[in-house]
Amino acid sequence: DSGVTQTPKHLITATGQRVTLRCSPRSGDLSVYWYQQSLDQGLQFLIQYYNGEERAKGNILERFSAQQFPDLHSELNLSSLELGDSALYFCASSVTGTPYNSPLHFGNGTRLTVT
Amino acid sequence: ILNVEQSPQSLHVQEGDSTNFTCSFPSSNFYALHWYRWETAKSPEALFVMTLNGDEKKKGRISATLNTKEGYSYLYIKGSQPEDSATYLCAFKHNYGQNFVFGPGTRLSVLP
Repeated sequence: DSGVTQTPKHLITATGQRVTLRCSPRSGDLSVYWYQQSLDQGLQFLIQYYNGEERAKGNILERFSAQQFPDLHSELNLSSLELGDSALYFCASSVTGTPYNSPLHFGNGTRLTVT
Repeated sequence: ILNVEQSPQSLHVQEGDSTNFTCSFPSSNFYALHWYRWETAKSPEALFVMTLNGDEKKKGRISATLNTKEGYSYLYIKGSQPEDSATYLCAFKHNYGQNFVFGPGTRLSVLP
């Protein structure tokens, strides 16, 4: 058990809808990362937060947004969903904002299916 | 765009065999390299964090080496066991990048 909690585990929704994925980082970790894994693709970095502030942005669509709250949990909001947004979304956490010596700790992921 | 490659894409070995696979990354502005093991229906789990050229790390039967000057890292598994079956991911970060770039992974199947 990595200590990172993601909810829900599965989500099925229709095109055009909006969903929110939630992540609670490991106790003591200040940084939260969001990754997307689509079919036949590797883990794609979306966005990182450190202690409530956005630290880095990757290939995140404008329809997607995220935030990290004072209690350090994070939410990823996906709106105007398209079929291509169907993927496994992982949250990971680390102690620092730049994990030089500390690895990423991954949650179990949320599988999103857009129909 | 950073390119992190892993080879082979997949590998089938017999129980007891030793095996190794490669992660290739840009050789300039190296910052860190991580190895993760990803078992089916689970989340990726960190194996090694490597930061210095020539680093060698070991965890049980699994070890890794790092050559930042030529841009590669090897992961070795000695005496593979069925429980080693998983996808092994490497993740690379360079000095100017804010995030880790993951390779596509090597899928290992160890047959009993």
